[in-house]
Order: sequence, then structure tokens, then C-alpha cells
Amino acid sequence: NAGVTQTPKFRVLKTGQSMTLLCAQDMNHEYMYWYRQDPGMGLRLIHYSVGEGTTAKGEVPDGYNVSRLKKQNFLLGLESAAPSQTSVYFCASSYSLLFRDEKLFFGSGTQLSVL
Amino acid sequence: AQKITQTQPGMFVQEKEAVTLDCTYDTSDPSYGLFWYKQPSSGEMIFLIYQGSYDQQNATEGRYSLNFQKARKSANLVISASQLGDSAMYFCAMRDSAQGGSEKLVFGKGTKLTVNP
Repeated sequence: NAGVTQTPKFRVLKTGQSMTLLCAQDMNHEYMYWYRQDPGMGLRLIHYSVGEGTTAKGEVPDGYNVSRLKKQNFLLGLESAAPSQTSVYFCASSYSLLFRDEKLFFGSGTQLSVL
Repeated sequence: AQKITQTQPGMFVQEKEAVTLDCTYDTSDPSYGLFWYKQPSSGEMIFLIYQGSYDQQNATEGRYSLNFQKARKSANLVISASQLGDSAMYFCAMRDSAQGGSEKLVFGKGTKLTVNP
């Protein structure tokens, strides 16, 4: 049972390059999230999706785009990477958060460095 | 305005002692949920405990308990009998749907706990 799988685990980009991070979950979860983690800042929500074909902005959406074409996949894109986007990126999913105690399941993270 | 505040960037505790990690929150939603996650040095996020806003009793999960004081809007994590393996970052989070929009989890900045032998 894979849970939430993120690819790649590590990536180094040059300023201006583009890339896509893939998140896949096999738990039939409706909700999926992309967070970034920076030292001293905790986890900040970039974008999220409440179902196939839907996306919504989180706290820090600028410079990122997302797509949820299939229920099990949530893609995070950087069109023109900047050094400020150097971070650890976490994908998470949950069946919903409408049930009060529904928790998030996290992927193992992607370490992205933009030079 | 910050919704989740963790005022302790770092905490130290002796092995086998208890430790309290602070968390205060701000919401206008009468129905909300509070979560604690642990992040060891390996990086994965591990769910520890949950407290609902309507729960009458404080949540407990093994050595973890949540000291929920609704009027003060605090949800402190208590770890009893600390172990070396408890050394990690700890994040408080709140399920939030205030101001409309869908439910999502908002995290605090975290507290780094170090357990000394």
C-alpha cells in the first residue's frame, strides 16, 4: 500500500527553468494539497483540490500552478523557477476534512533547490 | 493575522520527564479541529493527536495528550515520559473553513523538541 507518493525526491533547477512535481495517492482521497516548508516558517499551503478537476489557491500560490485531471494525481508546476522557491515541498491527501477528525496523509517530500 | 501560533521555537527536556508544547489558535468558526504532527529528522510527517472543538474531554493517544482550553484558544501538546525518539519538530495545525472556502489544514511554525539523555 503506497499511500502518497511524490516524485522526484530531489531536484536542482536553474533560475528560469520549469518543472512539474507529481503527487499520486492510492487511497481514493478526494482532497489533495501542496505545501511548502521553509525553516522557521512551518508548512504553508500553496494550492489544494477538493476533487477531480478542481483547484484552489492557498496561502502562497504565486509562481505555482496546479492541475488535478485525475482523482489520484495532483501536479504542481513551476513555470519559471526562482531562488525564492527553494524549499521542501510536501503533498498531502485526505478523504475530506468535512469529517472533523479526518487527518492528512503526507508524502515524503521533495527537496527543490533553485540556483 | 496568524491563525496558529507556536511561541517556542525550541524546547529541551530530560529523558523520562514530561514536556508541554504550546499552541494557540484564532478562528471565528464554531466548528474546528486541532491536530498535532511530528516531523523527525528523516522528514516524514506523522499524525499524533486530534481534538475537536465540541469534544468535552481532552484527547489522549498513548503518551500524548492535548490540553484543550477553549476559552483561551489553546491546544497544548503534553508528552509524558519523554524518550530519545521524541526529538523532532512538532507542528500544531487547525482545520479551517472560516471566511468561506473549503476545509483545509493551516499549520503553525513548529517547535523543535530535543530530548536529552
